[in-house]
Amino acid sequence: DVKVTQSSRYLVKRTGEKVFLECVQDMDHENMFWYRQDPGLGLRLIYFSYDVKMKEKGDIPEGYSVSREKKERFSLILESASTNQTSMYLCASSLLGGAGQPQHFGDGTRLSIL
Amino acid sequence: GQSLEQPSEVTAVEGAIVQINCTYQTSGFYGLSWYQQHDGGAPTFLSYNALDGLEETGRFSSFLSRSDSYGYLLLQELQMKDSASYFCAVRVGGNTPLVFGKGTRLSVIA
Repeated sequence: DVKVTQSSRYLVKRTGEKVFLECVQDMDHENMFWYRQDPGLGLRLIYFSYDVKMKEKGDIPEGYSVSREKKERFSLILESASTNQTSMYLCASSLLGGAGQPQHFGDGTRLSIL
Repeated sequence: GQSLEQPSEVTAVEGAIVQINCTYQTSGFYGLSWYQQHDGGAPTFLSYNALDGLEETGRFSSFLSRSDSYGYLLLQELQMKDSASYFCAVRVGGNTPLVFGKGTRLSVIA
């Protein structure tokens, strides 16, 4: 089974801090994604990556950046955390190619910015 | 922009059948997927339709009509454990990220 592991289930940070959310997948997937999930808004794409050192903006990239130095690891960075970034963050991965390839999700990180 | 519409909440009785609809307006279309998410859990893949028609996997079936930009997820013999949120998602390009609907919260009652 594919395993997508997010480093923390719960995280509390302060406004203005630089926050790192880590995600590791163990199935050699080319594609990796970061979403945030808020009640009533579904899953919104922040950034995605098709390969090492490659990144593409999603629908809501403002205030975030990402890093993919190794194929299995995709990090989400909040440059200067703000209270409106309090949310559930979900990482996902999938194989390259084939529109039917499912996305496999981690359990999420519930981030609170105080 | 991309738009997927699905009901926000559905309630059904244990043992019954429930249908969750999804209509979409997207810039491209390569297939419609469904994901299930229990409270506090990760979304998990249920089904994928690229062609018109019905796909059946056990108690769950998924239908697609590309001409109507419409699909649905059908859950039969509902069980309490089926209480969860269900998301439809469209692949708008060959290797593009999924675009998700806002989700339907299904409550199964005794």
